[in-house]
Amino acid sequence: EAGVAQSPRYKIIEKRQSVAFWCNPISGHATLYWYQQILGQGPKLLIQFQNNGVVDDSQLPKDRFSAERLKGVDSTLKIQPAKLEDSAVYLCASSLGGGVSSPLHFGNGTRLTVT
Amino acid sequence: QQQVKQSPQSLIVQKGGISIINCAYENTAFDYFPWYQQFPGKGPALLIAIRPDVSEKKEGRFTISFNKSAKQFSLHIMDSQPGDSATYFCAASRVGSARQLTFGSGTQLTVLP
Repeated sequence: EAGVAQSPRYKIIEKRQSVAFWCNPISGHATLYWYQQILGQGPKLLIQFQNNGVVDDSQLPKDRFSAERLKGVDSTLKIQPAKLEDSAVYLCASSLGGGVSSPLHFGNGTRLTVT
Repeated sequence: QQQVKQSPQSLIVQKGGISIINCAYENTAFDYFPWYQQFPGKGPALLIAIRPDVSEKKEGRFTISFNKSAKQFSLHIMDSQPGDSATYFCAASRVGSARQLTFGSGTQLTVLP
């Protein structure tokens, strides 16, 4: 099966600019996650969708970050305006459902550098 | 209470040796403990996972040991190979969390040929 697709692979922007990331999950996967992975750290959950509804966005900095999942398939994550501390790899993951028998499948991420 | 603490930060092992990575958690509500393997430029990939109703799970050269009373679990890689060189993350999730994983900080494993 095709994996989780993410684009772009790399993005360099200046602080206060905006940026958007795109994710296409594995076909049929109802649950979609965005994680932020800062260099040298483990991934941290930003937001979780179930189909096109938000399950949890408690760790999303909503003053600058937004995410949507239209039609329960593709998702976009946006940062506006970006700060230096937003430099990280943004990982998208998907799973069939939220249960223990549905492992997460991660994409290869988008590496964001904010200068 | 949501933290998962992982050690060591880095590990160097000779080919054929045993690699051991340890994790400790605080939240007793955690009920699912996976390990992920991540190569440079790639996303994490599920390696092996365990539930707290068993003390050990083995898949090929990879074994998870789980100590519920100590709230600790570890990954053992037997007969370590240079191809195992990667970053390993432990993680945990709890009942009702819809698989919201809390990750450890990672261990960079280097297996020398």
